[in-house]
Amino acid sequence: QSALTQPASVSGSPGQSITISCTGTSSDIGGYNYVSWYQQHPGKAPKLMIYGVNNRPSGVSNRFSGSKSGTTASLTISGLQAEDEADYYCSSYISSSTLVFGGGTKLTVL
Amino acid sequence: EVQLLESGGGLVQPGGSLTLSCAASGFTFSSYAMSWVRQAPGKGLEWVSLISGNSDITYYADSVEGRFTISRDNSKNTLFLQMNNLRAEDTALYYCAKVRSVTAVRKDALDIWGQGTMVTVSS
Repeated sequence: QSALTQPASVSGSPGQSITISCTGTSSDIGGYNYVSWYQQHPGKAPKLMIYGVNNRPSGVSNRFSGSKSGTTASLTISGLQAEDEADYYCSSYISSSTLVFGGGTKLTVL
Repeated sequence: EVQLLESGGGLVQPGGSLTLSCAASGFTFSSYAMSWVRQAPGKGLEWVSLISGNSDITYYADSVEGRFTISRDNSKNTLFLQMNNLRAEDTALYYCAKVRSVTAVRKDALDIWGQGTMVTVSS
């Protein structure tokens, strides 16, 4: 199963907003509302930030939001902070299997 | 506190076998499906396998189908991954993770992750 497509890197200044895209197909993102986003700091385990396209788990800042249009999902981080610098991975249910991840996006806070 | 703790990683020769374990605590283990996800050094996340709460459903990535077996012991709140015929490309940090909901077993996000156990396949 092919990975979802994410940009390798994005950057932004503190206080700004950034958006990370995640492109799939009709067999994954386009066909189901089971898109999730994970944050991973260096040397740490991934942390769930968004599930079901646009839902935040308890304890996740409301600066993080998710959306979907067709076969592309997006993660937006508003009011960028230094601690947001991390790798971000999207994931989706895929009809041929179970879960597929994106290749990951490195967020740099300038 | 909800917690997952993996163990069993190590150095193994190509063609060898290894069994990973994941001890769960802080939630009703038997109610939730569990997954294994791996991350090769410097690379992204790759879903490996999933097992339902009562073990009646299992799924595998194509890359490990026929070589890896996922199982669980609900009496001991422990998840396992038996890995046979290991290859160099199986070298990775292996995470166990809990599926978020009790209903959308195959589809939902992974809300709790362990810290991972490293598997190195090399001669």
